Amino acid sequence: DAGVTQSPTHLIKTRGQQVTLRCSPISGHKSVSWYQQVLGQGPQFIFQYYEKEERGRGNFPDRFSARQFPNYSSELNVNALLLGDSALYLCASSLFYSNQPQHFGDGTRLSIL
Amino acid sequence: DQQVKQNSPSLSVQEGRISILNCDYTNSMFDYFLWYKKYPAEGPTFLISISSIKDKNEDGRFTVFLNKSAKHLSLHIVPSQPGDSAVYFCAASVRGGSNYKLTFGKGTLLTVNP
Repeated sequence: DAGVTQSPTHLIKTRGQQVTLRCSPISGHKSVSWYQQVLGQGPQFIFQYYEKEERGRGNFPDRFSARQFPNYSSELNVNALLLGDSALYLCASSLFYSNQPQHFGDGTRLSIL
Repeated sequence: DQQVKQNSPSLSVQEGRISILNCDYTNSMFDYFLWYKKYPAEGPTFLISISSIKDKNEDGRFTVFLNKSAKHLSLHIVPSQPGDSAVYFCAASVRGGSNYKLTFGKGTLLTVNP
């Protein structure tokens, strides 16, 4: 079975631009979470979605938004990109929002110039 | 405010010996703990978890110990193998509530030398 898939793998943007990252969860998983991992740190929680509803939001500015589609895939959008947004963005899925463990994709490496 | 702390950025052990990775937490609401392993250019892979109602959980070469009074957990790998070389993240969550986000430590780089 396919694991969590994320696209694109790498992305280079400039300051002020907008970016959309995509995630397909493991088949049958209904919950998707997004995490940001900057160099030298552990992943930091951004959002959790379950059945298209936002279940939780981390300490990130409103420039970050996300949504989940009827097929449970998800998009993370970041507007007005800053240099500090350069990071690995990880998507994780689980069967339900209350289910652990969460299973991670390989991430999207976002570089801001 | 770092709620999950992995105070050793790196650890080096010989093949066949025991690897012990440590993790401390400050939030007494955490009641479920997980260890993930991460290779370069890959996402974190789930290894083992433990609920706060237990003090030990084993899975093959991996054992996690939880000391709630000390707010401390550790991952033991016996015997260590070169393929275990990776970054290990400790994570914690609070079950119940509106979401089950994971709070991660900064990770420990384990190097197992042949």
